[in-house]
Amino acid sequence: QLQLQESGPGLVKPSETLSLTCTVSGGSISTNNYYWGWIRQPPGRGLEWIGRIYSTGGTSYNPSLKSRVTISVDTSKSQFSLKLSSVTAADTAVYYCARQYYHDNYPSYFDPWGQGTLVTVSS
Amino acid sequence: DIQMTQSPSSLSASVGDRVIITCRASQSISNYLNWNQQKPGKAPKLLIYAASNLQSGVPSRFSGSGSGTDFTLTISSLQPEDFTTYYCQQSFSAPYTFGQGTKLEIK
Repeated sequence: QLQLQESGPGLVKPSETLSLTCTVSGGSISTNNYYWGWIRQPPGRGLEWIGRIYSTGGTSYNPSLKSRVTISVDTSKSQFSLKLSSVTAADTAVYYCARQYYHDNYPSYFDPWGQGTLVTVSS
Repeated sequence: DIQMTQSPSSLSASVGDRVIITCRASQSISNYLNWNQQKPGKAPKLLIYAASNLQSGVPSRFSGSGSGTDFTLTISSLQPEDFTTYYCQQSFSAPYTFGQGTKLEIK
């Protein structure tokens, strides 16, 4: 059974860079028809898609965050990572990683999700 | 960006009730609509994909329908574990967007 697990610092100072890693187990990160993505949820609020990466390195980002986001992948470690620069308190959220199924001309969906990790931006 | 609007934002119901949650897209998204369930402190869980397909392992009391801009999630007979929050999500075009959520509460 595929599992995803986020890891990284729970506290980041304003103006610094948030860095998280998602480790994939129970399956291959290089399987066809899957992207690997990040989604966040500020406390008590809704869900926001951050971006995604394919195992070969192709990326897509939310335009609202694009100037500050980098997602990368390390297939040898079955990991993909998120970097968000110049953070502010508005970036405080639970950050989830998720697998995104896709196929040409068919709706994609996120499944499964990691358990999430809370990142607080504060000095 | 495609805006997703759910209604109601909250709903009170009893065990055994049939409830319907609606989701409207700001433009046509064909059947590129998924429904997720989120319990407090937990990650979202996929219930329905492509508007009407039940994800493996999800109880058959959940069903989805719709196409274009209007979609529904129906729970045919509420169970105690169903009282939580539900989100719709469009995968028609990036950035993928979610509805604001519907919180299902016990009456």
